[in-house]
Amino acid sequence: KAGVTQTPRYLIKTRGQQVTLSCSPISGHRSVSWYQQTPGQGLQFLFEYFSETQRNKGNFPGRFSGRQFSNSRSEMNVSTLELGDSALYLCASSFSSGSYSGANVLTFGAGSRLTVL
Amino acid sequence: AQKVTQAQTEISVVEKEDVTLDCVYETRDTTYYLFWYKQPPSGELVFLIRRNSFDEQNEISGRYSWNFQKSTSSFNFTITASQVVDSAVYFCALGGANSKLTFGKGITLSVRP
Repeated sequence: KAGVTQTPRYLIKTRGQQVTLSCSPISGHRSVSWYQQTPGQGLQFLFEYFSETQRNKGNFPGRFSGRQFSNSRSEMNVSTLELGDSALYLCASSFSSGSYSGANVLTFGAGSRLTVL
Repeated sequence: AQKVTQAQTEISVVEKEDVTLDCVYETRDTTYYLFWYKQPPSGELVFLIRRNSFDEQNEISGRYSWNFQKSTSSFNFTITASQVVDSAVYFCALGGANSKLTFGKGITLSVRP
């Protein structure tokens, strides 16, 4: 059974550019969550998608956006990159029901490491 | 607001020692879930254990055990007879009424041969 796949694994951008990260969840998982990991702030929740709808959102500026496709694959986009956006971006999928639940066990991908110069 | 505190930042032990990782949480939810995840150098967080707020029974699973105490809002995790492969960053996390997890800052565990 394939795990959660994130692409690209590493990327370097300059300030002001935009970036799109991709996540393919485990087959059958309908929920995809995104987290940002930095040394200073740790793991912070970005957003969660379920059945192509954003179900929950963290406290990040509007430059951070995402979407989910009908096959549950998800993308997140960061526009007008800032130096502080340098981080490991982790995607996680879960076999979630239609209701909100903090019980979901998340399966994480290896992450996309973004460096902003 | 939910909060998870992992007061220990780094722990170093010698192989075969037992090690306990501490976790204290805050939540106003009556139903919640507590997790431990492990992040090896490869970067991928790996699920270890989950506990719900109504089940304070402590269990042992192989070399892992956990101690959940609602009275002190603690969810500590113990590795018995540690091995070098246990070296990783360990995160405690709290899941509440919505679908997001709140993570602690993590504890870096180094197991020396």
